[in-house]
Amino acid sequence: GENVEQHPSTLSVQEGDSAVIKCTYSDSASNYFPWYKQELGKGPQLIIDIRSNVGEKKDQRIAVTLNKTAKHFSLHITETQPEDSAVYFCAASSNTDKLIFGTGTRLQVFP
Amino acid sequence: EPEVTQTPSHQVTQMGQEVILRCVPISNHLYFYWYRQILGQKVEFLVSFYNNEISEKSEIFDDQFSVERPDGSNFTLKIRSTKLEDSAMYFCASSRDGADTQYFGPGTRLTVL
Repeated sequence: GENVEQHPSTLSVQEGDSAVIKCTYSDSASNYFPWYKQELGKGPQLIIDIRSNVGEKKDQRIAVTLNKTAKHFSLHITETQPEDSAVYFCAASSNTDKLIFGTGTRLQVFP
Repeated sequence: EPEVTQTPSHQVTQMGQEVILRCVPISNHLYFYWYRQILGQKVEFLVSFYNNEISEKSEIFDDQFSVERPDGSNFTLKIRSTKLEDSAMYFCASSRDGADTQYFGPGTRLTVL
């Protein structure tokens, strides 16, 4: 079955710097790749997603890139702010509806 | 903005007891899911539900688990005889269709003593 690897497990950056989180997936049939942000005690909140027919998507300070050949996708956050501090999960899905999540990255943004 | 809601926020139970976790998906959504997250670990898929039947389930979702949509708004997860290892956060999610974005509820923290 699908397996999603996520790196790094923790990431500390200074406010204003960029943060990059990377994921790889194993199932070449995967075609949908969402990113979720989880704050303490809350459920995962979708921040951006990408489908396999595009290579990049951007929404203000957040962007996601997808390399289907290498089977990896990345989350880029620019101009980080303290409120970006959270755990970020990548996920992958094929034409089935279940999401397979990565192991999460704890992002800390220091003022 | 419509949200997925879950009750209770925290459930404490004794090992061997039955628990029912409740969810109200977003009203025009047709696909419903349960996931769980053991403390400090990743979110794991349990089951998906569409058209009043299970469409997919994981190996975690054994005979002790069941799901139901008892009316037009609620979606429930029942654990028949809880075990210590069932302690986790349980998240309900819903989507408009099977290939669409899944929106997650705030979760129910289940503690089995």
